[in-house]
Amino acid sequence: QKEVEQNSGPLSVPEGAIASLNCTYSDRGSQSFFWYRQYSGKSPELIMFIYSNGDKEDGRFTAQLNKASQYVSLLIRDSQPSDSATYLCAVNPNDYKLSFGAGTTVTVRA
Amino acid sequence: NAGVTQTPKFQVLKTGQSMTLQCAQDMNHNSMYWYRQDPGMGLRLIYYSASEGTTDKGEVPNGYNVSRLNKREFSLRLESAAPSQTSVYFCASSERGAGNQPQHFGDGTRLSIL
Repeated sequence: QKEVEQNSGPLSVPEGAIASLNCTYSDRGSQSFFWYRQYSGKSPELIMFIYSNGDKEDGRFTAQLNKASQYVSLLIRDSQPSDSATYLCAVNPNDYKLSFGAGTTVTVRA
Repeated sequence: NAGVTQTPKFQVLKTGQSMTLQCAQDMNHNSMYWYRQDPGMGLRLIYYSASEGTTDKGEVPNGYNVSRLNKREFSLRLESAAPSQTSVYFCASSERGAGNQPQHFGDGTRLSIL
């Protein structure tokens, strides 16, 4: 079983819609959760992090964490063509290591 | 405002050749990391350095060595390159252990082994 699993996509959404990305993790002791965005041919950039159960909002992005279900999600509201990218979920199973999912590719169609 | 700088950006090697990938950060971060990214497999940790003077193996260390030269610099060496090491390599840094600190990535080195 992979430590971090994501649907690979592609996830296609119309402009202005909500994109919903899901991530599950296997290490119940994980404490920190990150979402990175990676444009094609570019490096990952951090867009959200969440440590506590519940929702965390930052602009058009909302991260949701449910530690009991070992599930973290990212919602992108009012999706724009510039949101077309691969989104990587990363989970911290110990103090120095981040485990990354393979990523979900999102395409926002105009 | 460079952040994390990797050199070179592109490299083509022949099987058996050696080379060193360089990484430097100017954010005064304590921890540094080397990842490789292959299609469909996400980022996999090769080695990391929690602080100056320490290095530890990650998920896929075979065929690689690292040196934490000082607080700023963390290099990755391929002693005898193999086609399986064709990948995109990313260096990252964080203020301290990855626990609750975000990692900042360099632009990557695209390495092809023929």
